[in-house]
Amino acid sequence: DAGITQSPRHKVTETGTPVTLRCHQTENHRYMYWYRQDPGHGLRLIHYSYGVKDTDKGEVSDGYSVSRSKTEDFLLTLESATSSQTSVYFCAISETGSTEAFFGQGTRLTVV
Amino acid sequence: DQQVKQNSPSLSVQEGRISILNCDYTNSMFDYFLWYKKYPAEGPTFLISISSIKDKNEDGRFTVFLNKSAKHLSLHIVPSQPGDSAVYFCAASAIFGNEKLTFGTGTRLTIIP
Repeated sequence: DAGITQSPRHKVTETGTPVTLRCHQTENHRYMYWYRQDPGHGLRLIHYSYGVKDTDKGEVSDGYSVSRSKTEDFLLTLESATSSQTSVYFCAISETGSTEAFFGQGTRLTVV
Repeated sequence: DQQVKQNSPSLSVQEGRISILNCDYTNSMFDYFLWYKKYPAEGPTFLISISSIKDKNEDGRFTVFLNKSAKHLSLHIVPSQPGDSAVYFCAASAIFGNEKLTFGTGTRLTIIP
C-alpha cells in the first residue's frame, strides 16, 4: 500500500471555526491532491499540488486553501468552516499526475 | 459540467454472473481511463486502467473496454463475487497537459449470493 496518512481521521467542528487537515506521504511522489466525496457527486477535486509551494485550484476550491512546504506534507485549511463543508475528505498522491493516483483512508469532517 | 458520467447509481448482480459497469465522458482530450473500487470507510483503490491506444485491457476477472468513437468505457467483472460489492468510480485524464484525474459519480455494485 502507498504510504499515505491522513490526520485526523474524524473531526467535529463548529461553524465559523478554522480547520486544518493533514496529508503525509512517504512515497516522494510529486503530485498531491485533496478530494471531497459527497453522495451524488462522486469525488470532486478541491486543490492539488505539483511540487513544493506549487498548487492549483480544482473544481470546488471556494472556502478552501492549501499549502505544501515539504514534498511529504499537503495541508488543507477551511478558514471558516460551514455546514456545506461537511464531507469525507481524501488525500491522493501520484508520480505522474495523469495516471494512477493512490488514496489515503479519508477524513470524515462534520461541521455543526 | 460533468465531464465523466456514470449514469447508473446502483447495480445488483447475482453471484457468478457478469457485472457490467458503464462510464461516458465528454472531453475529447481524455486519453487515459481508470477504474477505482471503494469500500465503506476506506479510500478508493486503483483497479484497472486503459490507454486510448488500446480498446481492451484485462486483469484477471476484470476487463475494461474503451470505445473512443462513442466516448464510452465499461468495466466487466466475471464471475462476480460477494467481495466485489463496493462503489466503483470511473476516472479520466489527459496524459499530456492535464495533471489530475476527473472522476465520475460512482456506481454502487451489490452482488447477491
